[in-house]
Amino acid sequence: SQKIEQNSEALNIQEGKTATLTCNYTNYSPAYLQWYRQDPGRGPVFLLLIRENEKEKRKERLKVTFDTTLKQSLFHITASQPADSATYLCALDIDDKIIFGKGTRLHILP
Amino acid sequence: GAGVSQSPSNKVTEKGKDVELRCDPISGHTALYWYRQRLGQGLEFLIYFQGNSAPDKSGLPSDRFSAERTGESVSTLTIQRTQQEDSAVYLCASSFEGGGLTDTQYFGPGTRLTVL
Repeated sequence: SQKIEQNSEALNIQEGKTATLTCNYTNYSPAYLQWYRQDPGRGPVFLLLIRENEKEKRKERLKVTFDTTLKQSLFHITASQPADSATYLCALDIDDKIIFGKGTRLHILP
Repeated sequence: GAGVSQSPSNKVTEKGKDVELRCDPISGHTALYWYRQRLGQGLEFLIYFQGNSAPDKSGLPSDRFSAERTGESVSTLTIQRTQQEDSAVYLCASSFEGGGLTDTQYFGPGTRLTVL
C-alpha cells in the first residue's frame, strides 16, 4: 500500500543549528512534493514545492531536497530560531489526490 | 476576504446529531478541498471540488458525510448522525486552479468538532 513516513517523534534542535526533517514514501512516483508548516490551532501554510526533476530548492533559510531513487525528501532549516518551532508536513501528489504525512513536531531550544 | 474562512471555529454536539461545517474560499479560487485531522495525526483527504463539481469524493469515510459547493463560492460539509470517531479538526483549503500539488493550497483555520 502507499505510505508516507515522517519522523514520528518530536525533534529538539538548539537555536542556531540546522534542523533536518525527513519525509520518506513507498510505492509512489510523485511528480511533486510540498512542505507545509502548521502551528497549533491553525491550518497548514505552504512553504516550498519541489518537482521530481529538481534535486534541490531553496527559499531564504529553507532548503528542500528530493531524491526519487531513495524515495525521500529532506527539509532543512539553517540558523534555526525559536520561531521556527512548529509541525512540518510533507505532501505528495498522487493522481491529483494530495496525500499528507503525519508531520514532525520541531522544537527549537533557546 | 483575505483568506479562507471557516465557521464555526468550534462545534460541540451530541452523538447522533447532524452538523454542518462551512468554508468560504479565497475569491477567485476554483478548487476547494476538505480534510480531516484527528489529534496528533496528519491530514486525511475527504473531498475535492473543481467549481461546483466534485471529481473526487473517494475520501469521504461513509455515507453519513456529504459536501456541496455553490458555484466557485461557499462549501458546506455535512455530517449526519455524528459518531464520537467523527471528532476532529475539519480543514478547508482553496487553490486557484486545482489539479493536485501544482497549485498552492491556502488553508482555513479549521473547525474543531467534538462529538460527546
